[in-house]
Amino acid sequence: QQQVKQSPQSLIVQKGGISIINCAYENTAFDYFPWYQQFPGKGPALLIAIRPDVSEKKEGRFTISFNKSAKQFSLHIMDSQPGDSATYFCAASNTNAGKSTFGDGTTLTVKP
Amino acid sequence: KAGVTQTPRYLIKTRGQQVTLSCSPISGHRSVSWYQQTPGQGLQFLFEYFSETQRNKGNFPGRFSGRQFSNSRSEMNVSTLELGDSALYLCASKGIGTHHTEAFFGQGTRLTVV
Repeated sequence: QQQVKQSPQSLIVQKGGISIINCAYENTAFDYFPWYQQFPGKGPALLIAIRPDVSEKKEGRFTISFNKSAKQFSLHIMDSQPGDSATYFCAASNTNAGKSTFGDGTTLTVKP
Repeated sequence: KAGVTQTPRYLIKTRGQQVTLSCSPISGHRSVSWYQQTPGQGLQFLFEYFSETQRNKGNFPGRFSGRQFSNSRSEMNVSTLELGDSALYLCASKGIGTHHTEAFFGQGTRLTVV
């Protein structure tokens, strides 16, 4: 049973456009929702994260929107740049249990 | 502060062999998690070790095992390798406490089983 569903699997956006990646979770025990960015040949790196008591968090061009009642959260990348081309993973964590569940990833390609 | 170090970076093994991968976490981090990454399956959680004890375990067969040493370094072992075990194996370390939520990943070990 997949606890975190991520979509789309791949995304192509023009430079300057908005990239949107969505995730949905099932377990209400999750209390921390990070997004990771992974470039080829590298391990994932934390991009931005949110806790369920906040509906939105913005860091530069990256914004997480969180809908607790719908158990959904999304990553918005404004003014997308070719350098943003990477694979993005959402995750949901139960910090007390020390366990994180990842989505399947979205490969983002930003065309110049 | 040095990051998470995984060795070796690349490995080629024959079906039926066994393999041991190593992960050195960030200094002071006591939690080490292992993940298998494949193109079609994303990041699959293998297990997590905390203070030398396995705290969480994913849905992998018993051929996959791990351990953690007193200095928090961790090893993962896969016995009787199968072709389907070919993947990027990532480890991630975390600090303790509810404020230490970020997992820091190593660059991974690329295992190819032939």
